[in-house]
Amino acid sequence: AQSVTQLGSHVSVSEGALVLLRCNYSSSVPPYLFWYVQYPNQGLQLLLKYTTGATLVKGINGFEAEFKKSETSFHLTKPSAHMSDAAEYFCAVSDPRGSGNTPLVFGKGTRLSVIA
Amino acid sequence: GAVVSQHPSWVICKSGTSVKIECRSLDFQATTMFWYRQFPKQSLMLMATSNEGSKATYEQGVEKDKFLINHASLTLSTLTVTSAHPEDSSFYICSARDHLAGWGETQYFGPGTRLLVL
Repeated sequence: AQSVTQLGSHVSVSEGALVLLRCNYSSSVPPYLFWYVQYPNQGLQLLLKYTTGATLVKGINGFEAEFKKSETSFHLTKPSAHMSDAAEYFCAVSDPRGSGNTPLVFGKGTRLSVIA
Repeated sequence: GAVVSQHPSWVICKSGTSVKIECRSLDFQATTMFWYRQFPKQSLMLMATSNEGSKATYEQGVEKDKFLINHASLTLSTLTVTSAHPEDSSFYICSARDHLAGWGETQYFGPGTRLLVL
């Protein structure tokens, strides 16, 4: 079974500082990997995803993530935090061997706070 | 981009009543839709997987008679909370997968429905 661990339920950074949100997964095969962002009282918006190919993935709003198979990690980064980045971030995985019915497996989420 | 809508966004109801939540894929067809429940400051909990034209598959511990799911078309799935009670109060989120994009592609999420049962 797959699982996702997000280290740190809450991360606080200063505006302009580097954002690093950690995600490690457990899977018998390299999974498909996703990062979603959720603003208060809203659904989830896809930030970026990795399926195959280049391991450094760039997403929206200046975020990027790198798939590291040896470390079973898919950490999310942004060079300079903006106040509007404050939100809940979820890492998710899916099994590439699955079917269209295979759901995402989510981590518990990391709440990002940005301090002015 | 792919858009998923949910209606209503907010609903307050009395205990014992039933509430229907709609999930629509607006610009793509979704063979599969997923229903999640989210408690405050927690992650999403998958409730069921909804397939167009067939019965939904419920996760363990989710009462299928209480949470009725119908996926009558490639663009619409509904979740009906029957005889709602205060403990059913939660944030319900649906997602849809674009079947033309291949199964491994993204799930697109609706904006969620906040249910408060008094």
